[in-house]
Amino acid sequence: NAGVTQTPKFRVLKTGQSMTLLCAQDMNHEYMYWYRQDPGMGLRLIHYSVGEGTTAKGEVPDGYNVSRLKKQNFLLGLESAAPSQTSVYFCASSYPHYEQYFGPGTRLTVT
Amino acid sequence: SQELEQSPQSLIVQEGKNLTINCTSSKTLYGLYWYKQKYGEGLIFLMMLQKGGEEKSHEKITAKLDEKKQQSSLHITASQPSHAGIYLCGADPTAGGTSYGKLTFGQGTILTVHP
Repeated sequence: NAGVTQTPKFRVLKTGQSMTLLCAQDMNHEYMYWYRQDPGMGLRLIHYSVGEGTTAKGEVPDGYNVSRLKKQNFLLGLESAAPSQTSVYFCASSYPHYEQYFGPGTRLTVT
Repeated sequence: SQELEQSPQSLIVQEGKNLTINCTSSKTLYGLYWYKQKYGEGLIFLMMLQKGGEEKSHEKITAKLDEKKQQSSLHITASQPSHAGIYLCGADPTAGGTSYGKLTFGQGTILTVHP
């Protein structure tokens, strides 16, 4: 099993550009999450999904959109990137009421 | 909203020494998760605690949740360089797991172990 994978691993964007981060899991987990990690601030939840076709806002959803068309995939989109979105993005998945498994992260820089 | 405060923010120890990291919550903890992160990598699950007074161990790492369920501690015995990394606590803010796993995380504790 590959677990949770994220693509790309690194990306540099210019302000105003758009991009999509892909998260895939092969553990048949119902729940999936997108977090961002910034120095001194821990992990903050952006959006999450409790099943195929469902998404919901987390703590810091502004500037991001998500989609979960297939159970194994969770996409995070930035429509118009801003320097404040420079961060490390982590995807995670889990069964209900169990621990979350994390991907290796995507390091995004917006100039 | 629930806030988690970890202490210390960073810790430098000599190999072989014992150490403790604390995670204090502003509200009752219904599920407390400990994760370890190596620089540039994702988080690795260590342990989950749910009941007041609960204690779990894995190899040389022991985690406890106090009776009042507002603080957890992570204790490492005879530390090794392989223990180095960032330790994060994450909390489920609702009873019965009705938060859909939306965890609140502490800011992390950076552990350095000198050989």
